[in-house]
Amino acid sequence: DSGVTQTPKHLITATGQRVTLRCSPRSGDLSVYWYQQSLDQGLQFLIQYYNGEERAKGNILERFSAQQFPDLHSELNLSSLELGDSALYFCASTPSGLGNIQYFGAGTRLSVL
Amino acid sequence: GIQVEQSPPDLILQEGANSTLRCNFSDSVNNLQWFHQNPWGQLINLFYIPSGTKQNGRLSATTVATERYSLLYISSSQTTDSGVYFCAVPTQGGSEKLVFGKGTKLTVNP
Repeated sequence: DSGVTQTPKHLITATGQRVTLRCSPRSGDLSVYWYQQSLDQGLQFLIQYYNGEERAKGNILERFSAQQFPDLHSELNLSSLELGDSALYFCASTPSGLGNIQYFGAGTRLSVL
Repeated sequence: GIQVEQSPPDLILQEGANSTLRCNFSDSVNNLQWFHQNPWGQLINLFYIPSGTKQNGRLSATTVATERYSLLYISSSQTTDSGVYFCAVPTQGGSEKLVFGKGTKLTVNP
């Protein structure tokens, strides 16, 4: 068990809908990363938060947004969903984000029908 | 940005065989992680190895940072070793977001 908790494990929804993925980092970790794993793009970085502030952005679509709350949990919001958004979404956490091992949650498998 | 290449893309072994997976990266890095993604999709941390050699049971890893590669050795493979093995390196510049290779898919047959 990595100590990073992601909910839900599976999500099935329809095109055009909006969903929220939740991540609770390891106790004490300030930095949260979101990654997307799709069949055609592999594992790609989406966005990073550090202690409530956005620190880095990757190839994240404008339809996607995220935030980190004062208790350090993070949410990834995906809206106007398309078939191509079907993927595994991972959250990872580290204590500070610099020179630390990243621990990954079990992922949320999103299926857009 | 930094590029990460893994080889081979696919590997099929009989139980008990040994294997070596390779990860090349295009720029200097200050750490490197190896992961195993099991058939259920979970990403399991195997090694955090910026340089040198580490061992954990039947698995070991070596990173030669000056030559920009890392090797993952699996000895006496078991069917539970099946899955996809990824290496990942952080970008520089404050974020240290991970850049992943495309992975090596390992199938161990009984």
